Amino acid sequence: DVKVTQSSRYLVKRTGEKVFLECVQDMDHENMFWYRQDPGLGLRLIYFSYDVKMKEKGDIPEGYSVSREKKERFSLILESASTNQTSMYLCASSLVLTGAFPGNTIYFGEGSWLTVV
Amino acid sequence: GENVEQHPSTLSVQEGDSAVIKCTYSDSASNYFPWYKQELGKRPQLIIDIRSNVGEKKDQRIAVTLNKTAKHFSLHITETQPEDSAVYFCAARGGTYKYIFGTGTRLKVLA
Repeated sequence: DVKVTQSSRYLVKRTGEKVFLECVQDMDHENMFWYRQDPGLGLRLIYFSYDVKMKEKGDIPEGYSVSREKKERFSLILESASTNQTSMYLCASSLVLTGAFPGNTIYFGEGSWLTVV
Repeated sequence: GENVEQHPSTLSVQEGDSAVIKCTYSDSASNYFPWYKQELGKRPQLIIDIRSNVGEKKDQRIAVTLNKTAKHFSLHITETQPEDSAVYFCAARGGTYKYIFGTGTRLKVLA
């Protein structure tokens, strides 16, 4: 069974703080993703990574950066947290990006609830 | 740009009735359409999916249909039960890496 683990479930941070959200997957998946989930807006892609040290911007990358130093770990960084970044953050992984099903199925972590005050 | 529209945003049904959630996608290159169920406070979990070369797929009480010409796909849940209450997301995966998600449907099954 695929396991995607987000180390922090609930965080409260102050405006201007640097925030790290960590995600680890145990299935040797090539691809990892960070989504943001807001009511009425669904899941929006922030960044994704298709290989170690590789990253690409998603739909809403502003105010975020990512790091993937090891295949199993993908970190989301808020350089200077702002109140409009209060949200639920979901990490996900998939085996491959293209090619045949089911390798491209996305598996999600439990989510990290971030409140910026 | 690419988008997926999902309707309705909320849906209440009586236990035992059927529920239908519809999604429309814009990218004609989309070839894979998963549905996720997210219970309160939990991760989205894949419940069923369909590829573009298939028109319908069924798994017990849930089924998904795909109309490529009209670019829409639907989730059907029959004989609904209280444990079906959750938020359901559709998604479309196109020619690129991107999964485009719908905005979600909150399903309430009334006992």
